[in-house]
Amino acid sequence: ILNVEQSPQSLHVQEGDSTNFTCSFPSSNFYALHWYRWETAKSPEALFVMTLNGDEKKKGRISATLNTKEGYSYLYIKGSQPEDSATYLCAFAAGNMLTFGGGTRLMVKP
Amino acid sequence: DVKVTQSSRYLVKRTGEKVFLECVQDMDHENMFWYRQDPGLGLRLIYFSYDVKMKEKGDIPEGYSVSREKKERFSLILESASTNQTSMYLCASSLLDGRLEQYFGPGTRLTVT
Repeated sequence: ILNVEQSPQSLHVQEGDSTNFTCSFPSSNFYALHWYRWETAKSPEALFVMTLNGDEKKKGRISATLNTKEGYSYLYIKGSQPEDSATYLCAFAAGNMLTFGGGTRLMVKP
Repeated sequence: DVKVTQSSRYLVKRTGEKVFLECVQDMDHENMFWYRQDPGLGLRLIYFSYDVKMKEKGDIPEGYSVSREKKERFSLILESASTNQTSMYLCASSLLDGRLEQYFGPGTRLTVT
């Protein structure tokens, strides 16, 4: 079983704060690193699929970076809004399957 | 839009019952997956399938079996449900490419009493 770890487990921020989370994964046999957002009562949705070392992806106020050599990825949210409240999952792709981290639960207070 | 549907949102079953969870996708994806989600443990892979009648064990296959008779349908079977199988079950599908971007169904919350 591959070890994919996310930190922190949970995070409470005020509206307008910027925040970031970490995903660490094995640095060998890398195929891709995924980030998903999972809102309560909805299905997880893909935010980013990153495949190249040094990749930076952006979607609105959310961005992610990837370092495959040292085995970590950061997810940044600029100016958090209450609608950003969700669990953020990262997943490491190897072979034909994903291994998910435990997730970071973000709660943004108005 | 990719659509992945699951047969039930909520299910309550008794210990020892045989339980079927059905998943259907409409995008002709080769891969299909079954996960369970428990608090603090993230998503854990139970089984996946990359083709009709093909299946591979994931990280936690014990107590489960699967069936894929048609490309669009992937069933998870609990042969004899136990209370430790109370969980949220999520189905997903993806293309057979290196990216494996997953499209998830809405989940089935199963309670075994």
